[in-house]
Amino acid sequence: AQSVSQHNHHVILSEAASLELGCNYSYGGTVNLFWYVQYPGQHLQLLLKYFSGDPLVKGIKGFEAEFIKSKFSFNLRKPSVQWSDTAEYFCAVNARSNDYKLSFGAGTTVTVRA
Amino acid sequence: DAGVIQSPRHEVTEMGQEVTLRCKPISGHDYLFWYRQTMMRGLELLIYFNNNVPIDDSGMPEDRFSAKMPNASFSTLKIQPSEPRDSAVYFCASSSTSESGELFFGEGSRLTVL
Repeated sequence: AQSVSQHNHHVILSEAASLELGCNYSYGGTVNLFWYVQYPGQHLQLLLKYFSGDPLVKGIKGFEAEFIKSKFSFNLRKPSVQWSDTAEYFCAVNARSNDYKLSFGAGTTVTVRA
Repeated sequence: DAGVIQSPRHEVTEMGQEVTLRCKPISGHDYLFWYRQTMMRGLELLIYFNNNVPIDDSGMPEDRFSAKMPNASFSTLKIQPSEPRDSAVYFCASSSTSESGELFFGEGSRLTVL
């Protein structure tokens, strides 16, 4: 079975600070990797995804993530956060061999102070 | 594309009442998922369908919960009888194997059972 671990439960930082959220997964086969964001009171939206190719993936709103296969990691980064980045961030993994069922991490709440 | 459509957006009901949540997936998507989100447990997969057939309902909490997908454009999640601990946001999501399982979420149905 696949599982997803997010390192931080809650991150608090100031505007313009850099953000990095850790995500590790456990699955031996070929996977697809996702980061979703949930703004307060809203539904989950896709930030970025990795299927194959360049392991450095760029998403919306200045976010990027790097897939490191040897470390089973897919960490999310943003060089300079804004107050509007306050949200909950979910890492997720699926695999064709598991019927593309998406497994989510527990989520990391990011609070950006103005 | 209208996206995944859920109704109702909010429901307040009394313990013991029947609750029916509805979902219209994105046209052409062959997978439909029901998730529940609470502060205590985060995102939980309840059940998912492939081509209208339930594939995995191991996440359904108990017999009070049931889900159907009578056709490719409609699904329901029913709770009967409802209990206060069922209070949560219920998300429906759809995906397509042609998109490697990227999930598209509805806006959610916020259920409060008094």
